[in-house]
Amino acid sequence: DAGVTQSPTHLIKTRGQHVTLRCSPISGHKSVSWYQQVLGQGPQFIFQYYEKEERGRGNFPDRFSARQFPNYSSELNVNALLLGDSALYLCASSLFGAGDNNEQFFGPGTRLTVL
Amino acid sequence: GEDVEQSLFLSVREGDSSVINCTYTDSSSTYLYWYKQEPGAGLQLLTYIFSNMDMKQDQRLTVLLNKKDKHLSLRIADTQTGDSAIYFCAGPWGGSQGNLIFGKGTKLSVKP
Repeated sequence: DAGVTQSPTHLIKTRGQHVTLRCSPISGHKSVSWYQQVLGQGPQFIFQYYEKEERGRGNFPDRFSARQFPNYSSELNVNALLLGDSALYLCASSLFGAGDNNEQFFGPGTRLTVL
Repeated sequence: GEDVEQSLFLSVREGDSSVINCTYTDSSSTYLYWYKQEPGAGLQLLTYIFSNMDMKQDQRLTVLLNKKDKHLSLRIADTQTGDSAIYFCAGPWGGSQGNLIFGKGTKLSVKP
């Protein structure tokens, strides 16, 4: 079975542009979470979606938005890019939105560079 | 917010044991996780422990949890060069299982 897949793997944008990142969860998983990992830091939570509804939002500006589709894949959108948005964006999938041991499995990430 | 502390670097010789430590402030967690990240890659779930356990062993990995001191550790026995990576502890301290809070990571270097 394929794991979590993300596209694209690398992306270079300039300040002010918009970007869309995509994630396909493990087959059968209904929840997707997005994380931002800047160099030298641990991942920081951005959003969680479960059954197409937002279940959690981290401390990120409104320039960040996301959605989940009927097939449980997800998109993360970032508007008006800033230099500080340069990071590795990680998608994680899990079976459920919550619960005792809702293990999260991560994709390889999308490396975004903003010039 | 939740504060999760890890030492940034650890260097060991091949064949030795490695111990990676993590301290946290929120005591409401249920499951706690250890992830491994190799250069340029995503995160690999290594193991987890439930908060009513003190220890969990999984092949070369041993997780110890001291709830009183809010201290979590990962011991890797017979450390190999392939274990060189960054190790993160994480817990659902963000309020839901879908919102994991991570430490800054410990970079493990294994010397032959």
